[in-house]
Amino acid sequence: GEDVEQSLFLSVREGDSSVINCTYTDSSSTYLYWYKQEPGAGLQLLTYIFSNMDMKQDQRLTVLLNKKDKHLSLRIADTQTGDSAIYFCAEKGAAGNKLTFGGGTRVLVKP
Amino acid sequence: DTEVTQTPKHLVMGMTNKKSLKCEQHMGHRAMYWYKQKAKKPPELMFVYSYEKLSINESVPSRFSPECPNSSLLNLHLHALQPEDSALYLCASSQDQGGNTEAFFGQGTRLTVV
Repeated sequence: GEDVEQSLFLSVREGDSSVINCTYTDSSSTYLYWYKQEPGAGLQLLTYIFSNMDMKQDQRLTVLLNKKDKHLSLRIADTQTGDSAIYFCAEKGAAGNKLTFGGGTRVLVKP
Repeated sequence: DTEVTQTPKHLVMGMTNKKSLKCEQHMGHRAMYWYKQKAKKPPELMFVYSYEKLSINESVPSRFSPECPNSSLLNLHLHALQPEDSALYLCASSQDQGGNTEAFFGQGTRLTVV
């Protein structure tokens, strides 16, 4: 079945860039997503990328996709304390009927 | 409006109680989802409704009973739950089940079973 892996924790200083990495196994993935979850809250869709793209930029967010290596990353420029949260990557396969989530990366931004 | 609204935000129930979680969206989305999220874990899919019909049941115990009365509403009826069912229950919706549609999540209902 599908498997999505993320590192557990990332600590970054305010103003620096953060890079969160994700790997997946489903070669039929069509869309890959990044969600942010703050404590006690639901999931906020940050951005997504279609599998035939290798990069997408949206303000402070840059998504890079290496489809050959099945590697996805999210770069947050000028990281702020409000960016402290858990970040989940998720993939949707060719069947398109459900999301498979990674385990989440807890990002801690230090002043 | 990209809002998915869930009520209640918090729920405490006994193991013999019957309660319902509600989810509403007015984005015209035709796919709606229930996820369960335990602490420090990713969301796990429970059910998918597509065009008001149940299309996926991820082998969820029958003490959880979903209902989709119309295209804007999704309910999750709870009966005879166990303490291990305590979790954050998330509702999501997307335009349809296809690949080219983002899923938007509600803020969740935090359920505690005592």
